Amino acid sequence: EPEVTQTPSHQVTQMGQEVILRCVPISNHLYFYWYRQILGQKVEFLVSFYNNEISEKSEIFDDQFSVERPDGSNFTLKIRSTKLEDSAMYFCATGTGPFQPQHFGDGTRLSIL
Amino acid sequence: DQQVKQNSPSLSVQEGRISILNCDYTNSMFDYFLWYKKYPAEGPTFLISISSIKDKNEDGRFTVFLNKSAKHLSLHIVPSQPGDSAVYFCAASLYNAGNMLTFGGGTRLMVKP
Repeated sequence: EPEVTQTPSHQVTQMGQEVILRCVPISNHLYFYWYRQILGQKVEFLVSFYNNEISEKSEIFDDQFSVERPDGSNFTLKIRSTKLEDSAMYFCATGTGPFQPQHFGDGTRLSIL
Repeated sequence: DQQVKQNSPSLSVQEGRISILNCDYTNSMFDYFLWYKKYPAEGPTFLISISSIKDKNEDGRFTVFLNKSAKHLSLHIVPSQPGDSAVYFCAASLYNAGNMLTFGGGTRLMVKP
């Protein structure tokens, strides 16, 4: 069964450094999403992306965050200057459209020191 | 943010019996609902979904019921199997908000042999 692939599985970064998380969507999916889960908390929506632009973003997704699909396959989340509170599990999800399920990758655990 | 709530953090069921997981929501604008299953160190796996225009959807052992007047969603698993032991999340989607998913806090299901 096709799956969403995320790399790296674990990223350790010094506070203030930039980090890029990568996602390879399922091949016919055109809708892309990022979520995060801080330890012990709910899964939270960050951003949705369709047709090369952001459809919706949450309050968490501030100017330090950006997304892009640089080569038509990878979908990336960049955090420009990481903070301690960015430590979380980041999940990429992709889907075929509205009212269709979003399929999640296994996540990237981001640890900020 | 308490728009989607799962009031039971855990549920224990005997193998072969029915498991019923519950979810309540507050935003009447939600138009699509999903259930996900999650194992440790993996991303959420899609199980079953339901549109707000329906009140029941069935897929094998899994049935989702939607009561819009009560703003209540439930997942029935019949019969329960030990392999069903996992954390179950309900999620609600808003088409007009970029299909963002709002998650409940999860219920840990333990199916005893």
